[in-house]
Amino acid sequence: DQQVKQNSPSLSVQEGRISILNCDYTNSMFDYFLWYKKYPAEGPTFLISISSIKDKNEDGRFTVFLNKSAKHLSLHIVPSQPGDSAVYFCAASAFTLMGADGLTFGKGTHLIIQP
Amino acid sequence: NAGVMQNPRHLVRRRGQEARLRCSPMKGHSHVYWYRQLPEEGLKFMVYLQKENIIDESGMPKERFSAEFPKEGPSILRIQQVVRGDSAAYFCASSPRQANEQFFGPGTRLTVL
Repeated sequence: DQQVKQNSPSLSVQEGRISILNCDYTNSMFDYFLWYKKYPAEGPTFLISISSIKDKNEDGRFTVFLNKSAKHLSLHIVPSQPGDSAVYFCAASAFTLMGADGLTFGKGTHLIIQP
Repeated sequence: NAGVMQNPRHLVRRRGQEARLRCSPMKGHSHVYWYRQLPEEGLKFMVYLQKENIIDESGMPKERFSAEFPKEGPSILRIQQVVRGDSAAYFCASSPRQANEQFFGPGTRLTVL
């Protein structure tokens, strides 16, 4: 039972255009959402996060949008650059009294930026 | 300011042997998490530890797998009597107290022959 779903295994975008990566979740206890970027043979790198009390968070070229009623979030990258080619993972957590819980990850979307 | 360190980066074991994976969290981080990634899959949470305490091991297989985070030294993920299905990338992450962002190490790629 996948609680975090990334339904697009891959996405191809032209350099300079906007990349939009989507993520859906089913567990209403999730209150914090994160995006990670991963290159082959490396660990995931934290990109951007958003708390459930917000609906948007922006950091440079990266913006994350959260629609709680639809249990949907998206990552926008604009403009897309060749170095953005990587696998992007959506992750979610439920904060507990003991601190942050283990993250629940989607299966990832492979973003390919074409020149 | 070193990031999360994991060693070894690659580990080859024969069926039935033991595998020990080490993780040193970022300086100042007291929370350690272990994840496993199978081919073509996302990362799956295994265990969450603070110094000398296992907080949540709900993602750990019930047999052969154990984890510790002693007062001194790195966190250790131990897999006894490895089987081919244990072949995967194992990632460690750390976070400071009461924070949601987790920072990952480069991973250990375990291959069981």
